Amino acid sequence: DIVMTQGVLPNPVPSGESASITCRSSKSLVYKDGKTYLNWFLQRPGQSPQLLTYWMSTRASGVSDRFSGSGSGTYFTLKISRVRAEDAGVYYCQQVREYPLTFGSGTKLEIK
Amino acid sequence: QVQLKESGPGLVQPSETLSLTCTVSGFSLTSYSVSWVRQPSGKGPEWMGRMWYDGDTAYNSALKSRLSISRDTSKNQVFLKMNSLQTDDTGTYYCTRGLLGTGSQFAYWGQGTLVTVSS
Repeated sequence: DIVMTQGVLPNPVPSGESASITCRSSKSLVYKDGKTYLNWFLQRPGQSPQLLTYWMSTRASGVSDRFSGSGSGTYFTLKISRVRAEDAGVYYCQQVREYPLTFGSGTKLEIK
Repeated sequence: QVQLKESGPGLVQPSETLSLTCTVSGFSLTSYSVSWVRQPSGKGPEWMGRMWYDGDTAYNSALKSRLSISRDTSKNQVFLKMNSLQTDDTGTYYCTRGLLGTGSQFAYWGQGTLVTVSS
């Protein structure tokens, strides 16, 4: 199985600052079509996960352009610019390159 | 609009079988795949398996021996059955759909249903 390892944030992050969340995969997530099969989600307390980006860097519909995904085949970053109170929650990366689809253990973002 | 809603018993006895239903609206099960994802409290999500738009299935190998996913397209429902439940199967169970028919961009989620395994 592909293991997804997420970093820790130095919480709390002051409102208006930037935050970068890291995720590493145990195997390249680049498929033969050239796409990188990585999703990012935000889960607020008591809510279902919300898709932020897919194919590593494509923002989902309605997601603020303050969220940007980047990376290589095995190392990924979700950058949140000008963090706001509504960005608080747990962020998960997920690989969808091969079965079983696997998630990271999550990175908590707290806002000051 | 696209909607998914999970339903099932909130409490299951150890060693018993869990049966959940995902009722969908706003799209056809013959055009989109639906996955089941579960999440223990305070932990990361776990992908369990999926029902493809063509009726095929895929399972997480860790659960495959206990898990079965089926559907009734006339009722717009996808079913999950998992046997031999233990306490570490406790958690919130979600059904989810991708943006594209064959895709795993899980943009649509149900509200989740909490399952507690306890005697």
